[in-house]
Amino acid sequence: EAGVTQSPTHLIKTRGQQATLRCSPISGHTSVYWYQQALGLGLQFLLWYDEGEERNRGNFPPRFSGRQFPNYSSELNVNALELEDSALYLCASSYGTGRMNTEAFFGQGTRLTVV
Amino acid sequence: AQKITQTQPGMFVQEKEAVTLDCTYDTSDPSYGLFWYKQPSSGEMIFLIYQGSYDQQNATEGRYSLNFQKARKSANLVISASQLGDSAMYFCAMSEMGAGSYQLTFGKGTKLSVIP
Repeated sequence: EAGVTQSPTHLIKTRGQQATLRCSPISGHTSVYWYQQALGLGLQFLLWYDEGEERNRGNFPPRFSGRQFPNYSSELNVNALELEDSALYLCASSYGTGRMNTEAFFGQGTRLTVV
Repeated sequence: AQKITQTQPGMFVQEKEAVTLDCTYDTSDPSYGLFWYKQPSSGEMIFLIYQGSYDQQNATEGRYSLNFQKARKSANLVISASQLGDSAMYFCAMSEMGAGSYQLTFGKGTKLSVIP
């Protein structure tokens, strides 16, 4: 069974540009979560999508946005990139709100570097 | 207040020995789940073990076991027979499902180094 897949693995952007990160969940999982892991700051929750809807949002500015498609894959968009957006972005998937959240599997991450 | 506290920034263990990584949590939600992840230097987060707040038994997965003490709000990870490949960052996390917050809140992690 395929795990959570993220693309691209690495992304280098210039300050002010936009970045788009993609995530495909495990088959059967309807929830997708995005996390940011910046150096020295630990894992910070960004966004949660379930059944195509944004369910919750972490303490990040509106230039961090995303969406979930009918096949449950998801996209994270970061607009007007700033140097401090450089981080590892991790996507996780799990069953949706109709089930107890007993498993949450992560992808390998996208390492975004803003120069 | 921190929801997940991992008080050991770094730990050393001799190969083949057992090691306990500490995790305490804070929630008023009666329905929650506790997770442990391993993050090697490659960056991937590897799911190790899960414990639900209503589970009566401590969770076990191979060499990993979770010492769940609900009254103390602690969920320590025990790794038996440590291997060199266990050297990594370990994160404890919580999902508060009763509040509808299914996302995970992470601790700051513990860096485990296994010594040959």
